Amino acid sequence: SQQGEEDPQALSIQEGENATMNCSYKTSINNLQWYRQNSGRGLVHLILIRSNEREKHSGRLRVTLDTSKKSSSLLITASRAADTASYFCATDAAGNNRKLIWGLGTSLAVNP
Amino acid sequence: DARVTQTPRDKVTEMGQEVTMRCQPILGHNTVFWYRQTMMQGLELLAYFRNRAPLDDSGMPKDRFSAEMPDATLATLKIQPSEPRDSAVYFCASGFLAGGRSTGELFFGEGSRLTVL
Repeated sequence: SQQGEEDPQALSIQEGENATMNCSYKTSINNLQWYRQNSGRGLVHLILIRSNEREKHSGRLRVTLDTSKKSSSLLITASRAADTASYFCATDAAGNNRKLIWGLGTSLAVNP
Repeated sequence: DARVTQTPRDKVTEMGQEVTMRCQPILGHNTVFWYRQTMMQGLELLAYFRNRAPLDDSGMPKDRFSAEMPDATLATLKIQPSEPRDSAVYFCASGFLAGGRSTGELFFGEGSRLTVL
């Protein structure tokens, strides 16, 4: 079963707007990671946040983690058409033999 | 620029045929994962190797699927016989896991798109 559940399933915004995606999970984690997948391509790692961290930034990306609510959010600021992709969260669940558990993803469309 | 290489990129075959997908992980990485991606199921873990030893293949249909790492530069996923329901994109990913630490960043190949008619 999926550990992570992204919300929303699909998001359509205009260039320049901010995009926020959420991920909820069920069990204790070591870390949570966000990946991007362009159509027809492999997944690309964006950012990793550890269970003892609350917020992390990388360029236009901001990730937050709330372990009490078992949730994370990915914010993309000043979106561009090139940000159009699917975004996945993956959790390294504690005691799970270091496997990552994946959500079904959020499909983001950034319209020019 | 180190990358994970997968072959073939696209494969169309007929039901009952054997299919072999290959993956060259990034040099120095000690973990290799095989995933299957479909619209309905998302990313499903099929097999997981660490230091070439299989750690988890619980997600893999054992009667028809097999995964091996004959050496550190090659991982294979074989389906025999293939069925239409195996149609999906198969991804290989590699990473480096230091002892006792959590799983870090995974590097994915571009995937092998399999169509079984």
